Amino acid sequence: GQNIDQPTEMTATEGAIVQINCTYQTSGFNGLFWYQQHAGEAPTFLSYNVLDGLEEKGRFSSFLSRSKGYSYLLLKELQMKDSASYLCAVIFDYKLSFGAGTTVTVRA
Amino acid sequence: DTGVSQDPRHKITKRGQNVTFRCDPISEHNRLYWYRQTLGQGPEFLTYFQNEAQLEKSRLLSDRFSAERPKGSFSTLEIQRTEQGDSAMYLCASSSRDTNTEAFFGQGTRLTVV
Repeated sequence: GQNIDQPTEMTATEGAIVQINCTYQTSGFNGLFWYQQHAGEAPTFLSYNVLDGLEEKGRFSSFLSRSKGYSYLLLKELQMKDSASYLCAVIFDYKLSFGAGTTVTVRA
Repeated sequence: DTGVSQDPRHKITKRGQNVTFRCDPISEHNRLYWYRQTLGQGPEFLTYFQNEAQLEKSRLLSDRFSAERPKGSFSTLEIQRTEQGDSAMYLCASSSRDTNTEAFFGQGTRLTVV
């Protein structure tokens, strides 16, 4: 089965940094995705990690440790528009399995 | 716009009625997924098509649910004899068969069963 855990909620101040952790125990692993989802909207792709290490893309970075079954998404220089749910998802073969999502609230 | 499109965006139906949703994936994508999402949860996998073949169907899907992708292009998801517990956002996503490219999601169909 698939077990993907991430915190339910996080709050941070505009301009700050927030790190969203994700741990997974899955029957197989071909990579890990992070998606952003604003309320009432579709998830949109943020990052993909298949090898251990850090992937940086602008203000967003994602890290993966396959041996630990662990990933994090780092959001820097937070902006109000970053308030959203962040979904960790593991892909094995063709199937994408999601965690419950972490709701990030950015405060002025 | 050449993204994934879903129709309708919203559907309100009475309990016991049948409903059908449509998904048009990105044209060159041969993988198509249906997910269901309730408030505060991540998307739950329902079913997967590779071209016209339905390769996996989740245990979450009862016999009241059926999905098709007759020509390997658009897909439909039908729910028969709807129940209040079917109320959710139904998301469609598509991706290329190239190894592990990201899935692109449609805006979803929000179903409310009253």
